[in-house]
Amino acid sequence: GEDVEQSLFLSVREGDSSVINCTYTDSSSTYLYWYKQEPGAGLQLLTYIFSNMDMKQDQRLTVLLNKKDKHLSLRIADTQTGDSAIYFCAETSSDKIIFGKGTRLHILP
Amino acid sequence: EAGVTQSPTHLIKTRGQQATLRCSPISGHTSVYWYQQALGLGLQFLLWYDEGEERNRGNFPPRFSGRQFPNYSSELNVNALELEDSALYLCASSFDAGGSYNEQFFGPGTRLTVL
Repeated sequence: GEDVEQSLFLSVREGDSSVINCTYTDSSSTYLYWYKQEPGAGLQLLTYIFSNMDMKQDQRLTVLLNKKDKHLSLRIADTQTGDSAIYFCAETSSDKIIFGKGTRLHILP
Repeated sequence: EAGVTQSPTHLIKTRGQQATLRCSPISGHTSVYWYQQALGLGLQFLLWYDEGEERNRGNFPPRFSGRQFPNYSSELNVNALELEDSALYLCASSFDAGGSYNEQFFGPGTRLTVL
């Protein structure tokens, strides 16, 4: 069935890199997304990658896509306290978007 | 540009009652999506409306229903409320319905508490 899986928690020290991983199931997905949800707010699109790309970089964010393994990752360089949030991986599949359960990123001082 | 708005912010009901949640999409967006975010369960897709019609629904019982109005705003109705319906209900809108690139813009959510 359709499912997007992520680990639920990640703790990282301030200044280190954070890597959030995701696996998806639909090999026909054309776009994959990372959304960020800050406390008390709705989700906001952080970045996305088209399925014919292996990597996308946007300032501190790097998205890596391994289509063979259906694995997507989000790397946040120089993690700051403002990066503390829940990060959702999502894929477009069969005319809907499927979200993972979200990874809660906790920043240690 | 105004974002997606939802009302009410908080809603407290008792078991067996009905709840109505409302969503106004971003101007120009024709698609509205509803999600349930319950503790520990992540984001669960509920319903998708486009141009006034229901295009898709998630694995939820029929007591979850809704509609989209001619101005593209939407209502989510939950009948015969159960305790496990307590959750944050998020609405999102997008411009391109069913297109391969589908950026969704989310509202702040309605927190429904069922006592």
